[in-house]
Amino acid sequence: AQSVTQPDIHITVSEGASLELRCNYSYGATPYLFWYVQSPGQGLQLLLKYFSGDTLVQGIKGFEAEFKRSQSSFNLRKPSVHWSDAAEYFCAVRTGGFKTIFGAGTRLFVKA
Amino acid sequence: EAGVVQSPRYKIIEKKQPVAFWCNPISGHNTLYWYLQNLGQGPELLIRYENEEAVDDSQLPKDRFSAERLKGVDSTLKIQPAELGDSAVYLCASSLTGLDTEAFFGQGTRLTVV
Repeated sequence: AQSVTQPDIHITVSEGASLELRCNYSYGATPYLFWYVQSPGQGLQLLLKYFSGDTLVQGIKGFEAEFKRSQSSFNLRKPSVHWSDAAEYFCAVRTGGFKTIFGAGTRLFVKA
Repeated sequence: EAGVVQSPRYKIIEKKQPVAFWCNPISGHNTLYWYLQNLGQGPELLIRYENEEAVDDSQLPKDRFSAERLKGVDSTLKIQPAELGDSAVYLCASSLTGLDTEAFFGQGTRLTVV
């Protein structure tokens, strides 16, 4: 069955430090992959997506993610975190049946 | 242009009472989704519409949940009767049709059943 695993329930980084959020998926075919961010009391906002082509994708707010088929991973990165990046981050995979499956999320805390 | 609009933002009801949530998708988006998000979890699909047709309602608990999308635009999700375990955030999203499209989410309705 298709699934998405985000191994880290929460992560704390210092402002200005680099960030990597992990995402592993289980899906037999080439997936459509997404990263969303959710601030408290808000809906989900798309950060970036991968459909095909270059495996390193750039998103909004300085985020990027790299698709690694051999590792079934789609990790999210940012070189320098800002306090405003504190939020919940969700990785998602869309299957050929139009079903989008979300991971459980990783909550990011940013310390001054 | 307005995004996906949901109302109400918050709702508190007693168990066994009915409740309804409303969603207005982005203009031109044929696909509409209702998701359930429990605390500390990612969204889980309840139902997906393509225009007026519910094309995937396999995860919708049909004994108490119902949904409709009249004229292929606005949608309503109803729970009757509500149970304590229904307390969650209900998210609506919309997109253009196709696998390679992104979904835009509303702010959600936080339901508390007491």
